[in-house]
Amino acid sequence: DQQVKQNSPSLSVQEGRISILNCDYTNSMFDYFLWYKKYPAEGPTFLISISSIKDKNEDGRFTVFLNKSAKHLSLHIVPSQPGDSAVYFCAASGGGGADGLTFGKGTHLIIQP
Amino acid sequence: GAVVSQHPSWVICKSGTSVKIECRSLDFQATTMFWYRQFPKQSLMLMATSNEGSKATYEQGVEKDKFLINHASLTLSTLTVTSAHPEDSSFYICSAVGRRGVNEQFFGPGTRLTVL
Repeated sequence: DQQVKQNSPSLSVQEGRISILNCDYTNSMFDYFLWYKKYPAEGPTFLISISSIKDKNEDGRFTVFLNKSAKHLSLHIVPSQPGDSAVYFCAASGGGGADGLTFGKGTHLIIQP
Repeated sequence: GAVVSQHPSWVICKSGTSVKIECRSLDFQATTMFWYRQFPKQSLMLMATSNEGSKATYEQGVEKDKFLINHASLTLSTLTVTSAHPEDSSFYICSAVGRRGVNEQFFGPGTRLTVL
């Protein structure tokens, strides 16, 4: 049973445009959500996070939106750059981020020049 | 940002042998470390939670006698895969959480285990 779902295995976006990566979750106990970027054979790199008490968090080109009623969150990257090409994982936690994370399957973002 | 290292980065072993993987937090003290496993084209799956000075907590379906975890200090946790079999071949990744309750887990670079 997949508690964190990323339904798009891949996404192709033109350089300079906005990339929107989506994530859905089913567990109401999740209270902290994170996005990680990952390259093959490397560990995930933290990008941005959001607590369930917020609906938006912004950090530079990255913005995460949380819709608790829909159990949906999204990561916006604008403008998209070639270096953004990677696999992006959505993760959730029930302990404010300090518990083990439940990951989605990832979305492979490809930024085209 | 915080740095977490893993050693070795890759290992090939024969079936039936044991393999130890180290996870170190290099510039902060980690009260809690986590071990994850990732199969090809799959998500990272939490295996266990490792707390310094206490026994690890294993996720459902993870054999504690097969995956031995030791968190002997605030900067080191080890995962030992005992009597490894080819189905244990995977990418093992650790993460660490700092003492001050930092909300982000910092991940190591991972260890690729191949069991022949």
